Parts: sequence; structure tokens; C-alpha cells
Amino acid sequence: DAMVIQNPRYQVTQFGKPVTLSCSQTLNHNVMYWYQQKSSQAPKLLFHYYDKDFNNEADTPDNFQSRRPNTSFCFLDIRSPGLGDAAMYLCATSRFSDNEQFFGPGTRLTVL
Amino acid sequence: KQEVTQIPAALSVPEGENLVLNCSFTDSAIYNLQWFRQDPGKGLTSLLLIQSSQREQTSGRLNASLDKSSGRSTLYIAASQPGDSATYLCAVNVAGNQFYFGTGTSLTVIP
Repeated sequence: DAMVIQNPRYQVTQFGKPVTLSCSQTLNHNVMYWYQQKSSQAPKLLFHYYDKDFNNEADTPDNFQSRRPNTSFCFLDIRSPGLGDAAMYLCATSRFSDNEQFFGPGTRLTVL
Repeated sequence: KQEVTQIPAALSVPEGENLVLNCSFTDSAIYNLQWFRQDPGKGLTSLLLIQSSQREQTSGRLNASLDKSSGRSTLYIAASQPGDSATYLCAVNVAGNQFYFGTGTSLTVIP
């Protein structure tokens, strides 16, 4: 089945230690998104790629960066995680034609 | 900036009841609106997508309506089941690939 895959599902890191979260898709969608969702809050868009064009939300901290080496893969890099970065990180994809979003299962990040 | 509100924040109903979840947004200039379901600790599952030119969409026991002019959407769930228990989120799509989510309605269906 076509899907959005996120690895790992659970990630524990230490304060200040860089971490990379991975997302891959078999849907061949040209848009990929990264969201941050904290407990009982709405998902917050961090950035998205339309093909290789990177779009950063104005309030996304510089501590967060992303890479999309090809259509299938997208990575979220957190350079120096703080306690406030503990959250669920959600990857999503969409077709440009209708913008229906499909989400992966998420990566739960814990910062010690 | 678009603001999306979902009321109520939590809802508890007995099994078999029909129910309506509400989503309101402040800017009617949207491309589409999407309803999702989220189970605890999981990602979001797409339920229904309504394009701005559409008034409603149906899938099984679910029916979503959209009234752009009043900035409202409703998700109607018929004959609720315990397996419907989850958080339901709506998201509006504005210019390009901008999405704004509500904080969701947590639904509990009591057997």
C-alpha cells in the first residue's frame, strides 16, 4: 500500500545533542511537510517542500532545518534540541492538484 | 492570519447516537478544508476533503459540510460506535501550501 513512513517512531535525545528524523513516501506526491504537535495542541507547520523548493514558516526556529534529497525522502534536523522541542513530529505529503494531505504515524521526540 | 476553532473541545455520547462536530475559521478565502481523525499517540488519518467549490462530502457514516461565507464546517457522524472514539481535527488550506489546524474535538463513544 502507498504510504508515508516515519522513522524512528520514538526518539530520545539529550539536551543539545543533534537529532535527525526521517520521512519517506511511496505516494509520489510532490509536496512534503513537517509539523510539530505538542500535547493537546494543534499541529503547527514548520516547513514544506514543493518539489525541491523549500518554504520555511516565518516563526520556525533556526534550530530546525530540513533536507529533501529526492522525491521520496525528507529529513528534519534539530541542531540543538531543547526541552521545549519535545513533541510529536508529523510528516505529511500532498498532491499539488488537490492538496489533500496524508500523514505518517509520527515520531515522538523526548529530550532529556 | 487564519484562526481555526473547534467546539466543543470534548464530547461524550452513548453508542448509536448521531453527532455533529463543528469547525469555524476566520478567513473565508480558503482552497479546501480537510477533516482528520487522530488516535492517541498516532498520526492523522484523513477522513474527508472538501474543496472550496463544494458544499459537502460523504464517506460511509461521515458527512462533512462547508459554508465558506460563514466560515463554518461540520462533520456529521451517524450511528456512532465505540471505535469512533478519537480526536477529530479540521484543517483549512489557504494560499498555496499553508494549512491551519484547529485544536480538535475529543470524542468518546460510550458502549
